[in-house]
Amino acid sequence: EVQLVESGGGLVQPGGSLRLSCAASGFTVSNNYMNWVRQAPGKGLEWVSVIYSGGTTYHADSVKGRFTISRDISRNTLYLQMNSLRAEDTAVYYCVRVGDLVVVRSAFDIWGQGTMVTVSS
Amino acid sequence: SYVLTQPPSVSVAPGQTARITCGGNNIGSKSVHWYQQKPGQAPVLVVYDDSDRPSGIPERFSGSNSGNTATLTISRVEAGDEADYYCQVWHSSSGPSYVFGTGTKVTVL
Repeated sequence: EVQLVESGGGLVQPGGSLRLSCAASGFTVSNNYMNWVRQAPGKGLEWVSVIYSGGTTYHADSVKGRFTISRDISRNTLYLQMNSLRAEDTAVYYCVRVGDLVVVRSAFDIWGQGTMVTVSS
Repeated sequence: SYVLTQPPSVSVAPGQTARITCGGNNIGSKSVHWYQQKPGQAPVLVVYDDSDRPSGIPERFSGSNSGNTATLTISRVEAGDEADYYCQVWHSSSGPSYVFGTGTKVTVL
């Protein structure tokens, strides 16, 4: 079964760091465009970061310089390193797969269940 | 940056048709995808590439895209269709990004 399972969320103080993990099964993370998407409480969806199959990464302006997306091929796992966290980073973070191996503009076909990150003192 | 605008809410009686719009500059030139999100759950893809349906999604869900507006149509609405719906495109200007619409809450009366 194709599945994504996130972990690593929790409560962190402003200015702190957290690393989210996303374990994939049923497919190979490094073959796909993989993303992080977040949703603040009661708000809409916001794209955060993408890593291409070739390893190139891009981040939303709101997290650029603070967040880093990466992957471990041997563990078939996606990561999001979050530094200098702010209250406005509080959200559910979803690990998401683009459904096509070649076309980057394709839809997000597989979503994890999400992990909650709360930034508060 | 690229902005996608959706109506905050749409109300529809069971058995009727719900239409959810997604406005964006020349959105007709892009591939539009639609997601359904129920409370406490992750989003689910219901329409991709403007008008295609993933396996398992009822034919009642359909999409179109032209000019500055994309539309998700839900025919013969059922109580189980009550959810938030988001449109989404890929956009590249100063760098690639995935853009979501503002979201529409569909209420079944």
